[in-house]
Amino acid sequence: AQTVTQSQPEMSVQEAETVTLSCTYDTSENNYYLFWYKQPPSRQMILVIRQEAYKQQNATENRFSVNFQKAAKSFSLKISDSQLGDTAMYFCAFTDSWGKFQFGAGTQVVVTP
Amino acid sequence: SAVISQKPSRDICQRGTSLTIQCQVDSQVTMMFWYRQQPGQSLTLIATANQGSEATYESGFVIDKFPISRPNLTFSTLTVSNMSPEDSSIYLCSAEDRANTEAFFGQGTRLTVV
Repeated sequence: AQTVTQSQPEMSVQEAETVTLSCTYDTSENNYYLFWYKQPPSRQMILVIRQEAYKQQNATENRFSVNFQKAAKSFSLKISDSQLGDTAMYFCAFTDSWGKFQFGAGTQVVVTP
Repeated sequence: SAVISQKPSRDICQRGTSLTIQCQVDSQVTMMFWYRQQPGQSLTLIATANQGSEATYESGFVIDKFPISRPNLTFSTLTVSNMSPEDSSIYLCSAEDRANTEAFFGQGTRLTVV
């Protein structure tokens, strides 16, 4: 069974600074996808970034980037130039060809002025 | 991308009653899912809503307690039956775009059972 582990319950960062969230996963699959989702207090789950396992290049979306280490089964998210609107719960997620998503426990990110 | 409308957004219900949550997607999707999320915690998959057949439930969830319908490729309902305070939670509908392997979510239903 696949598992997703986020070991940081909460991270605090000052505005304009950088924060890195860690995520590790376990799977025997070779073809899979990894995601970071953001859930602000509104409860709406928002896709931040996606990484296909077969791609070696790390995904980047504006201020968000990942460090994907397939051999280590590690998938960290870096938020650069943090903004107050980045305050939210961040979930690392995994899916394989069967389509079901497995989510980590989440990391609460708090951006302070 | 898909837009998902989920309703109600919140409800307060008496124990022993049932609540049906509706999920409408603005495009046809192959896979729809229902999750439960306790406050401050992660998402737990309840079941996969299968179009035209019975839902596939995860361990710990049963059809009698959480009956699910999926009459077509854009709509699904989840009923929380014979509710108890332990059912108080957020319930989220999700649809998956297999072409892009991305999951879209409704805004969730916050259920409080008193």
